[in-house]
Amino acid sequence: ETGVTQSPTHLIKTRGQQVTLRCSSQSGHNTVSWYQQALGQGPQFIFQYYREEENGRGNFPPRFSGLQFPNYSSELNVNALELDDSALYLCASSPVAVQGNEQFFGPGTRLTVL
Amino acid sequence: AQKITQTQPGMFVQEKEAVTLDCTYDTSDPSYGLFWYKQPSSGEMIFLIYQGSYDQQNATEGRYSLNFQKARKSANLVISASQLGDSAMYFCAMREGHFGNEKLTFGTGTRLTIIP
Repeated sequence: ETGVTQSPTHLIKTRGQQVTLRCSSQSGHNTVSWYQQALGQGPQFIFQYYREEENGRGNFPPRFSGLQFPNYSSELNVNALELDDSALYLCASSPVAVQGNEQFFGPGTRLTVL
Repeated sequence: AQKITQTQPGMFVQEKEAVTLDCTYDTSDPSYGLFWYKQPSSGEMIFLIYQGSYDQQNATEGRYSLNFQKARKSANLVISASQLGDSAMYFCAMREGHFGNEKLTFGTGTRLTIIP
């Protein structure tokens, strides 16, 4: 069974640019969540996708957007990058979008905005 | 008010001793879930244990147990017989909301260091 994978591992962008991060969910999981973890902080919930639809969103501006594909993989897009967007971006998948199901996290993508 | 509060930024514990990591939470939703995750220096979040708000018994998973005190809104993690490999960041998290509008909120974490 393949776990959650994310690409790329590291990324360096400049302010104002756009970035796309990718996540492949664990086999059999139809729900994907994205989190932003700034250095020294806990992860912050960005949004969750269930069967290709957004299923909950945290306190992030619209320039953070996402997609989920029929195979349940997902993308996180960030437009007009700001310095404060520098963080570890974590993707997590779970079997169904109900309370109590643990989320399995990927290794993360570390984004640096210069 | 903070949704999840972890008051211990760092802890040092002797190997083989038990350790308790504190977590308090704040919600008005009667249905919620509480999680503990471990994050080693590699960055990956590892699920440890889950407690549902309606669960009558405290959750246990091997050396991990969750001391759930609902009236006090407390969900402390207890690690028995600590090992060197337990050194990591530990995060308490709460899931609230309902299908279609769910959120998972994390605390700021506790850095646990096990001393040989």
